[in-house]
Amino acid sequence: DVKVTQSSRYLVKRTGEKVFLECVQDMDHENMFWYRQDPGLGLRLIYFSYDVKMKEKGDIPEGYSVSREKKERFSLILESASTNQTSMYLCASSPLQGQSNEQFFGPGTRLTVL
Amino acid sequence: GQNIDQPTEMTATEGAIVQINCTYQTSGFNGLFWYQQHAGEAPTFLSYNVLDGLEEKGRFSSFLSRSKGYSYLLLKELQMKDSASYLCAVIDSNYQLIWGAGTKLIIKP
Repeated sequence: DVKVTQSSRYLVKRTGEKVFLECVQDMDHENMFWYRQDPGLGLRLIYFSYDVKMKEKGDIPEGYSVSREKKERFSLILESASTNQTSMYLCASSPLQGQSNEQFFGPGTRLTVL
Repeated sequence: GQNIDQPTEMTATEGAIVQINCTYQTSGFNGLFWYQQHAGEAPTFLSYNVLDGLEEKGRFSSFLSRSKGYSYLLLKELQMKDSASYLCAVIDSNYQLIWGAGTKLIIKP
């Protein structure tokens, strides 16, 4: 059974803190994605990666960075958390481009920045 | 720009049929997904259309017309557990997924 896990379901941080969100998939997928989801806005792509050590900016990369040191793990980093980064963060993975592009999602991390 | 439009919210009655529409304007087209998302949970895959026509899967069907930039998700014999948000997403010419904001479906007894 396909599985994407995220390190935390709920997280509360203070403004200015450095925040790490971890995502692990066990499907040997090449592609991994980080989204944030806010009411009325749908899913917005922050960063994605097609391979180890490779990253591409999505639609809203400002204030975020990512790391992909191993194929199964994709980390999202908030260098200095701000209140406008309070959101639901969803990680997803999918197999190689050109194959099924279905994305498999993790359970999400609801981050609150105070 | 790229755009996907879905109704924000719909209400239907248990046992009835509901159709959720999705229209899109994207740079190219390589397929369309429908996902279901219950409140506080991750989206889960429902259907994928790349050719025109109707794809049926149990109580759920999805239709695509590429010439019209239009899709719909049809849910039959509605159950209370179908209360969720339904997300439409299109794969563009760069194989990027463009997401709609989702349609919140409320089922009433």
